[in-house]
Amino acid sequence: GQQVMQIPQYQHVQEGEDFTTYCNSSTTLSNIQWYKQRPGGHPVFLIQLVKSGEVKKQKRLTFQFGEAKKNSSLHITATQTTDVGTYFCAGRVETSGSRLTFGEGTQLTVNP
Amino acid sequence: DTAVSQTPKYLVTQMGNDKSIKCEQNLGHDTMYWYKQDSKKFLKIMFSYNNKELIINETVPNRFSPKSPDKAHLNLHINSLELGDSAVYFCASSQVRIRGPDGYTFGSGTRLTVV
Repeated sequence: GQQVMQIPQYQHVQEGEDFTTYCNSSTTLSNIQWYKQRPGGHPVFLIQLVKSGEVKKQKRLTFQFGEAKKNSSLHITATQTTDVGTYFCAGRVETSGSRLTFGEGTQLTVNP
Repeated sequence: DTAVSQTPKYLVTQMGNDKSIKCEQNLGHDTMYWYKQDSKKFLKIMFSYNNKELIINETVPNRFSPKSPDKAHLNLHINSLELGDSAVYFCASSQVRIRGPDGYTFGSGTRLTVV
């Protein structure tokens, strides 16, 4: 079945450092979504990427979708303590209807 | 106004009991989901309903039974609870387009502890 791998599983950074999480799929994706879950909270939708090679920015967050639509990344510039949480990618395969397959998530901690 | 609300928020119960978790969304979405999140944060799809019709039914024990009385509600009933059922259960909803679902809106979760 479809698999979405996400690395790293954990990342500890000092405030002000950059952070990147990577997502790789075993199959070509029709689109990919990113979510953030704060500690003790629920996943919150951040963004959806649809086009090959697409790049989108939200303030300090930059999202990329690979040319082959099999990988994606989320990059945070100059992390802040408010960035703490688990970041999930979730990919959809064309034939899977509404099913999203979530990556395992990257847990980010930011030391002040 | 809470978009996706699920109750209860916490549930502590003994092994062997039967319990239900309720979920309601007021977003007008046509699709609802149940996810299980284990201690390692992994989000695993359990069920999905589109306009009251079951469309995703993952390999979960048949002790778990979803029910969707209408497209705004999706409840989860669990029979004969086991220790391994302890987890956080999230309800979510989305609107499904031709290109796939819009971003999911998750409920705040139900932390189930089986003792």
